[in-house]
Amino acid sequence: DSGVTQTPKHLITATGQRVTLRCSPRSGDLSVYWYQQSLDQGLQFLIQYYNGEERAKGNILERFSAQQFPDLHSELNLSSLELGDSALYFCASSVGDGSKLFFGSGTQLSVL
Amino acid sequence: QKEVEQDPGPLSVPEGAIVSLNCTYSNSAFQYFMWYRQYSRKGPELLMYTYSSGNKEDGRFTAQVDKSSKYISLFIRDSQPSDSATYLCAVPGSDYKLSFGAGTTVTVRA
Repeated sequence: DSGVTQTPKHLITATGQRVTLRCSPRSGDLSVYWYQQSLDQGLQFLIQYYNGEERAKGNILERFSAQQFPDLHSELNLSSLELGDSALYFCASSVGDGSKLFFGSGTQLSVL
Repeated sequence: QKEVEQDPGPLSVPEGAIVSLNCTYSNSAFQYFMWYRQYSRKGPELLMYTYSSGNKEDGRFTAQVDKSSKYISLFIRDSQPSDSATYLCAVPGSDYKLSFGAGTTVTVRA
């Protein structure tokens, strides 16, 4: 168990809908990262937050947004969902920048 | 150019064989390197963390870094069926975010 908690484990929704994925980092970790994993794209970095502030952005679509709350948990919001958004979404946490990442078990999103 | 390149395999070996996994990276400024193991439909877990050139050993696993060639390797000795997983190399990209290789899927046959 990595100590990173992600909910829900599975999410099935329809195109055009909006969903929210939730992540609780390991105790003491200030950084939260979101990654998307699909068969054809591999593990792709989306966005990082550090102590509530956005730190780095990857190839995150404008339809996607995230935030980190004062208690350090984070949410990833995906809107106007398309079939191609179906993927595994992972949250990871670390103590700080450049540190070892610890991953949650992921949320499997299926857009039908 | 991708920051890290990894042969996606797949790789199938008999139990007890040595597994050799490789990645190349583009930025010679990278100072540390990681290997993650991911079981099917699970989150990646940190397997090895190396900070410099040379070898690092942990049980049956050895991570090797050759900075002159920008090449990183992971060796698994006496491979077991429980080692069947996808192995991903990772390097720090810009802003310290980790960039992952495509992952190599390994199957160890009993």
